[in-house]
Amino acid sequence: DAKTTQPPSMDCAEGRAANLPCNHSTISGNEYVYWYRQIHSQGPQYIIHGLKNNETNEMASLIITEDRKSSTLILPHATLRDTAVYYCIVRVHGSGGSNYKLTFGKGTLLTVNP
Amino acid sequence: DAGITQSPRHKVTETGTPVTLRCHQTENHRYMYWYRQDPGHGLRLIHYSYGVKDTDKGEVSDGYSVSRSKTEDFLLTLESATSSQTSVYFCAISESLVSEAFFGQGTRLTVV
Repeated sequence: DAKTTQPPSMDCAEGRAANLPCNHSTISGNEYVYWYRQIHSQGPQYIIHGLKNNETNEMASLIITEDRKSSTLILPHATLRDTAVYYCIVRVHGSGGSNYKLTFGKGTLLTVNP
Repeated sequence: DAGITQSPRHKVTETGTPVTLRCHQTENHRYMYWYRQDPGHGLRLIHYSYGVKDTDKGEVSDGYSVSRSKTEDFLLTLESATSSQTSVYFCAISESLVSEAFFGQGTRLTVV
């Protein structure tokens, strides 16, 4: 799996959009970009994933650059409950046992301030 | 939450004793995973399963074994617990290669 680079921490004001960047410059054509978050003491929670098109769901939007070397997770109206560590992961989709796993890095600690 | 139950949620055990953690799912998902999480290391994959009786090692598998005799249960065993295995353990499940993974609430294990 390609590696990702994320800033260790970010701050955001409550009610504003939170834009979390992720660099994955070595991503290959069959690798998807996944985002998870982990609120303190809880298990990680899936947010969104995509291949090359922008994606949106009820939680967030995922913007992937045309060259796919980076992406941005957007929380449109951050709340205090969005304070968490956010993980950007690239994951191969294909056969073989090792392709089934998710490899978590250090992630970005997003702190939403009142 | 997806139908994942980890048991026990908390356990304190002595060095050298065997410990088994259980992950039970009601989603009939094919893939199951065990992770550990430690300060400064993030989440690290211990073992995973891609079907009944089909398991493989992750990045930190030394000192751990797993078994999956039926779809719904994935057991993680520490044959002889050590203090370095004090951690929070998370189980996860996923339906397919392209679907998201759902995580359990975690088991906090302390080895004294």
